[in-house]
Amino acid sequence: AQKITQTQPGMFVQEKEAVTLDCTYDTSDPSYGLFWYKQPSSGEMIFLIYQGSYDQQNATEGRYSLNFQKARKSANLVISASQLGDSAMYFCAMREGRPGNQFYFGTGTSLTVIP
Amino acid sequence: DTEVTQTPKHLVMGMTNKKSLKCEQHMGHRAMYWYKQKAKKPPELMFVYSYEKLSINESVPSRFSPECPNSSLLNLHLHALQPEDSALYLCASSQEFTSILNEQFFGPGTRLTVL
Repeated sequence: AQKITQTQPGMFVQEKEAVTLDCTYDTSDPSYGLFWYKQPSSGEMIFLIYQGSYDQQNATEGRYSLNFQKARKSANLVISASQLGDSAMYFCAMREGRPGNQFYFGTGTSLTVIP
Repeated sequence: DTEVTQTPKHLVMGMTNKKSLKCEQHMGHRAMYWYKQKAKKPPELMFVYSYEKLSINESVPSRFSPECPNSSLLNLHLHALQPEDSALYLCASSQEFTSILNEQFFGPGTRLTVL
């Protein structure tokens, strides 16, 4: 089974609007971390935001927030006030608590911000 | 300094060549990673070094040979590659390999083309 599922291969958003990128995950480990990365066309993976499975509040970092719904096993990324520079590939990733576990990446969502 | 550097940015090599990719971080991180990424796909983990020891080898062909000379440096030696090895090679580091809290910081990658 897929550990991380991103069902939106491509998304479009108008500049200055908010956009939600979906991510669902699958784990039986009670301890895990969820991460979002941005990858512009230049190739570098840029860390955006982190949510721990025991965190009570949704993570926020500037214009990024993570809508964490533990019971539904979803960790959607919300980008507010989209900018042209937000056009990129976005990857959701998970790390389980068992020692030695690697990052599991989703297949990514390509976001295009329209002027 | 939250930077991971990689050299070279681009590399073109023939199938009989020997070349090396280099990665460096000065964040005091004790875990370093090599990923391979094909276009429009998520990164695939190749190797993990933890405290300068190889912790994970994801069944990578022996034509890829990693080396961790010290805690700041990670090399990937390439020999007798195939055209299908052409990809973006990303290096990453994190504070510790075993902690789920640690985000991975990525370098800009090396775009490798094998002729």
